[in-house]
Amino acid sequence: EPEVTQTPSHQVTQMGQEVILRCVPISNHLYFYWYRQILGQKVEFLVSFYNNEISEKSEIFDDQFSVERPDGSNFTLKIRSTKLEDSAMYFCASTGETGRRGYTFGSGTRLTVV
Amino acid sequence: ELKVEQNPLFLSMQEGKNYTIYCNYSTTSDRLYWYRQDPGKSLESLFVLLSNGAVKQEGRLMASLDTKARLSTLHITAAVHDLSATYFCAVDMDSSASKIIFGSGTRLSIRP
Repeated sequence: EPEVTQTPSHQVTQMGQEVILRCVPISNHLYFYWYRQILGQKVEFLVSFYNNEISEKSEIFDDQFSVERPDGSNFTLKIRSTKLEDSAMYFCASTGETGRRGYTFGSGTRLTVV
Repeated sequence: ELKVEQNPLFLSMQEGKNYTIYCNYSTTSDRLYWYRQDPGKSLESLFVLLSNGAVKQEGRLMASLDTKARLSTLHITAAVHDLSATYFCAVDMDSSASKIIFGSGTRLSIRP
């Protein structure tokens, strides 16, 4: 079964450093997303991406965050200057057919800011 | 702003019993998704419900959608320990795939 692949699985970074989280969505999907989940809490929407541009973003997705699809397969989330409160699990997701077949989530990147 | 509420938030039940998790949402939508999450793991898709009256079943789990009541249920029949996990519902507000919004999750613990 097709998978959404995320790397790294765990990243530890110092406060103020830049991090890039990487995702390879399912190859024939057109819609891409980033979500985050602070430990033990709900899954929060960050941003959606379609046709090489941001479709929608949440209040969490401020100027410190950016997304990019640098080639035909990768989809990245960059946090420019990490804060302690950015520590969370970050999930990438993708869907085709406007969600009619569901949204597939990657295995996540656990980001720890120290 | 779309709100998605699940209840209960925590559920401890005995093996062999039946129970229902409820998911209410605040705006009209005809697309609702159920996911399972094991501790430290990703979100595993369980059901995709795309219309009013949709009902889907897989093993001991059955999900339904009532778009008029803005309510979905996840029913567990004769629970077994392996079903212990956190269950999330998520709603697509406008069917345009711009985003899905998650409920707070129901942490289900099934004891022998």
